[in-house]
Amino acid sequence: QVQLQESGPGLVKPSETLSLTCTVSGGSISSYYWSWIRQPPGKGLEWIGYIYYSGSTNYNPSLKSRVTISVDTSKNQFSLKLSSVTAADTAVYYCASLNIYCSSTSCYQRTVDYWGQGTLVTVSS
Amino acid sequence: QSALTQPASVSGSPGQSITISCTGTSSDVGGYNYVSWYQQHPGKAPKLMIYDVSNRPSGVSNRFSGSKSGNTASLTISGLQAEDEADYYCSSYTSSSTLLFGGGTKLTVL
Repeated sequence: QVQLQESGPGLVKPSETLSLTCTVSGGSISSYYWSWIRQPPGKGLEWIGYIYYSGSTNYNPSLKSRVTISVDTSKNQFSLKLSSVTAADTAVYYCASLNIYCSSTSCYQRTVDYWGQGTLVTVSS
Repeated sequence: QSALTQPASVSGSPGQSITISCTGTSSDVGGYNYVSWYQQHPGKAPKLMIYDVSNRPSGVSNRFSGSKSGNTASLTISGLQAEDEADYYCSSYTSSSTLLFGGGTKLTVL
């Protein structure tokens, strides 16, 4: 069974860049699509984006201008960078595996299979 | 893109059945059979309970079932138990190639 573990700073200053890494164990990073999802305190879930081991990505349009997701297959890790953060970006950030079905023409995000435990990132000066 | 619409809260007594709805549009819930349900206990990560509208992952109790009619998906929990008290979220693939979550429903077991 795939296990995921987020790591990174728990406090980021406004206007700076939030950076998190997810380490994958119990499976190859080449076998799945990988995603970041966040949850502001007391609120619901928001999909941020996903990456495939090949490097292809898909981002939430509402965050696309500020988000970069990358993958390091040699370390079995993938990462999130969110630039120009504000207090509204304060949230628990989850890394997760995404089950995607791809036809000849489109890819469909079916479900989130496995979740990391989540890490709280607070944006504050 | 607005979140899928879920009731803020539902409640039921042990042994009873409850249903949580998840309403979207023809561009998400109604257009694809890629609706999932997740259970989240306080301070914990969400756990997948239902995928592809009505399929249960291995290890999930058969007390949990899912269905869909038009633009509304539903999660039913039968034989309610104290351990079912949690937040529940739905998700759906959308025509914009994104994953959209519901606002969440707090289930209280009385």
